[in-house]
Amino acid sequence: AQSVTQLGSHVSVSEGALVLLRCNYSSSVPPYLFWYVQYPNQGLQLLLKYTTGATLVKGINGFEAEFKKSETSFHLTKPSAHMSDAAEYFCAVTPGVGNDMRFGAGTRLTVKP
Amino acid sequence: GAVVSQHPSWVICKSGTSVKIECRSLDFQATTMFWYRQFPKQSLMLMATSNEGSKATYEQGVEKDKFLINHASLTLSTLTVTSAHPEDSSFYICSAKSPGTSPLHFGNGTRLTVT
Repeated sequence: AQSVTQLGSHVSVSEGALVLLRCNYSSSVPPYLFWYVQYPNQGLQLLLKYTTGATLVKGINGFEAEFKKSETSFHLTKPSAHMSDAAEYFCAVTPGVGNDMRFGAGTRLTVKP
Repeated sequence: GAVVSQHPSWVICKSGTSVKIECRSLDFQATTMFWYRQFPKQSLMLMATSNEGSKATYEQGVEKDKFLINHASLTLSTLTVTSAHPEDSSFYICSAKSPGTSPLHFGNGTRLTVT
């Protein structure tokens, strides 16, 4: 079975500061890992994904994440936060292609001016 | 990129009535679609997996007679909330998988309010 744990339900940073959102996963098979962003009353938008290959993946809006198998982690980072980054972020895992996706509880990112 | 359209984006209905939500894959054929439910300030909970041409697979605790899912074509899945009650008020989101790839593509969700 697969599961995801997001540490910190709420993260607050200043504009221009580093963003770090934590995600740890549990999977009995090699996982596919994803980060999604959700704005109020909207669906989910894919930020980035890891399937195989390079463990550092770059996504949209300047975000990136690194798959660390030894730590079972897939933390999301961005060097410099923008006000527009304020949203809810979800880490998700699937056991591979074609299977349903399991989500973490989400982390609400607040960006202070 | 792949687009999933969900309709309506919001709906208000009276208790006891039924509501149908549509999920369409606009530029690809989706053999599998997923329906999620999201309560305020919470994560997405998978309700059911919708397979084209066959019965949906429901997650434990989800009433299949209350949440009717139909996946009649490769581009359309519908979720019908039957005899809706106020506790069914929630944000419902569908997703679809384009063949041979991950990840899932999500609709923009439907906010259901039952009065």
